[in-house]
Amino acid sequence: AQSVTQLDSHVSVSEGTPVLLRCNYSSSYSPSLFWYVQHPNKGLQLLLKYTSAATLVKGINGFEAEFKKSETSFHLTKPSAHMSDAAEYFCVVSLQGGKLIFGQGTELSVKP
Amino acid sequence: SQTIHQWPATLVQPVGSPLSLECTVEGTSNPNLYWYRQAAGRGLQLLFYSVGIGQISSEVPQNLSASRPQDRQFILSSKKLLLSDSGFYLCAWSVIKETQYFGPGTRLLVL
Repeated sequence: AQSVTQLDSHVSVSEGTPVLLRCNYSSSYSPSLFWYVQHPNKGLQLLLKYTSAATLVKGINGFEAEFKKSETSFHLTKPSAHMSDAAEYFCVVSLQGGKLIFGQGTELSVKP
Repeated sequence: SQTIHQWPATLVQPVGSPLSLECTVEGTSNPNLYWYRQAAGRGLQLLFYSVGIGQISSEVPQNLSASRPQDRQFILSSKKLLLSDSGFYLCAWSVIKETQYFGPGTRLLVL
């Protein structure tokens, strides 16, 4: 069965320092993986997606994620955090029928 | 470009009252449409999805129903709201099977 686990419910970084949000997945086939961001009381915005092309995926706002099949991971990174990056981040895996399975989310706080 | 609208943005309703939330998509034809609920501090739960007019699939038994009267319109309804129906309701669309794009959401508070 497919599943996704976000390893941290909350991450706090200082502005200008790197961001790492961890995600592990379980899938019986080569999955499609996504990262979405949600600012308070807003809908979800697609940051990036992996669909079996390049393993290093670049997204919007300077974020990127690397698909590592051997580790079943899809961690999200950014070299330098901005205050505007403070939000909830969801790692998502897609089932073959198109349905999505969401992780429980990681809340990112950015300190000045 | 495609856009997705949801209204109302916020709604406060008494227990036992009816509900109607609307979602419309512009700039695309025959999209797949989805309703999700996000309870406080939790991830998203898929409630309904639709692959065409009048075609609704329910993911979880509950107090809610969905309808798709037009190609780009998706409605979430209830005849009698429960306290447990409170949450943030998100509509999403997709054309390519996997990538879903989300609307701004409706915050529902049932008192």
